Amino acid sequence: AQSVTQLGSHVSVSEGALVLLRCNYSSSVPPYLFWYVQYPNQGLQLLLKYTTGATLVKGINGFEAEFKKSETSFHLTKPSAHMSDAAEYFCAVTKSSGDKLTFGTGTRLAVRP
Amino acid sequence: NAGVTQTPKFQVLKTGQSMTLQCAQDMNHEYMSWYRQDPGMGLRLIHYSVGAGITDQGEVPNGYNVSRSTTEDFPLRLLSAAPSQTSVYFCASSSSLGEQYFGPGTRLTVT
Repeated sequence: AQSVTQLGSHVSVSEGALVLLRCNYSSSVPPYLFWYVQYPNQGLQLLLKYTTGATLVKGINGFEAEFKKSETSFHLTKPSAHMSDAAEYFCAVTKSSGDKLTFGTGTRLAVRP
Repeated sequence: NAGVTQTPKFQVLKTGQSMTLQCAQDMNHEYMSWYRQDPGMGLRLIHYSVGAGITDQGEVPNGYNVSRSTTEDFPLRLLSAAPSQTSVYFCASSSSLGEQYFGPGTRLTVT
């Protein structure tokens, strides 16, 4: 069985500061990992994904994440936060394409002016 | 290319009523799924389908039925609504690379 833990249900940063959202996973096989973003009253939108290959993955809106197998982590970062980054972020894991996704409980990011 | 569409956007039901949440996708994806989203609990999988005629239960299937007669459509039926089913429901379809595309959601209130 797979699982995802997102540390911190709420994170607050100042505009221009580094964004770091933490995700740790558990999987019995090499995982596929995803980060999704949800803006208020909307569905989820894919930010980035890791399947195989390069462990540093770049996504939309300046976000990136690094797959670290030894730490079973897939933390999401952005060098400089914008007000428009305020949203809820979900980490998810699956063991293969076409299989069920397991989501974390989400981290709500607030950006202070 | 509309992606994943869901209807209705909002619905209020009385306890015991039944209804169907509609979901359609135009990306020819084989894999489709239904989630419910509740505060502090993330998204929980209700049912999923790996192709027309094939469905299976997810994490929280009780009180819900699904069928998949076509690749495009994956409706979710609430048989006898209960207040515990008050939630936001999302339908998603998955590409061959595993990434899921989500609909805009249906906000359901059961009184």
